[in-house]
Amino acid sequence: DQQVKQNSPSLSVQEGRISILNCDYTNSMFDYFLWYKKYPAEGPTFLISISSIKDKNEDGRFTVFLNKSAKHLSLHIVPSQPGDSAVYFCAASFYTNAGKSTFGDGTTLTVKP
Amino acid sequence: KAGVTQTPRYLIKTRGQQVTLSCSPISGHRSVSWYQQTPGQGLQFLFEYFSETQRNKGNFPGRFSGRQFSNSRSEMNVSTLELGDSALYLCASSLTGDHTEAFFGQGTRLTVV
Repeated sequence: DQQVKQNSPSLSVQEGRISILNCDYTNSMFDYFLWYKKYPAEGPTFLISISSIKDKNEDGRFTVFLNKSAKHLSLHIVPSQPGDSAVYFCAASFYTNAGKSTFGDGTTLTVKP
Repeated sequence: KAGVTQTPRYLIKTRGQQVTLSCSPISGHRSVSWYQQTPGQGLQFLFEYFSETQRNKGNFPGRFSGRQFSNSRSEMNVSTLELGDSALYLCASSLTGDHTEAFFGQGTRLTVV
């Protein structure tokens, strides 16, 4: 039973447009959510996070939105750049136990010039 | 500053054998987490070590074990290998286990034949 799901395995957008990556979770006890970016042949790198007490967190071109009632979070990238092309993983954890994160399968984002 | 180093990068083993993978965290980091990445399963948490103690454990069989040494280097062992153990094994290091500060290694690609 997968607790964190990224239902879109891939997404393609035009440079300059908005990229929206989605993630759903089933365990309402999760209270901390993270997004990671992974380039081929590299390990994932942390991108942005949000705790359950917030519904939005921004960092430059990246914004994460959390809808607790729907158990849904999304990552918005505006404007999208070709260098953003990568696999994006969302992860959920418990704030008091951040060493154990549950990851989604990932969404491959391709930003076309 | 050196990143997270995983050795070996690639490994081929036969069913029934055992394997040991190594992870050297960033200097000063005390937490090391291990993940298994397979197509369609995303990143699955194996276990986390902090100051030589296993602090968290995922839902993997007892064939998967690990340890951490006093210098924070960690090893992961898989005994009685099965074909389904073929995966990319990633380790992540952080100061405290907080994954907003975690750095991942490039991974070890294990193929079981």
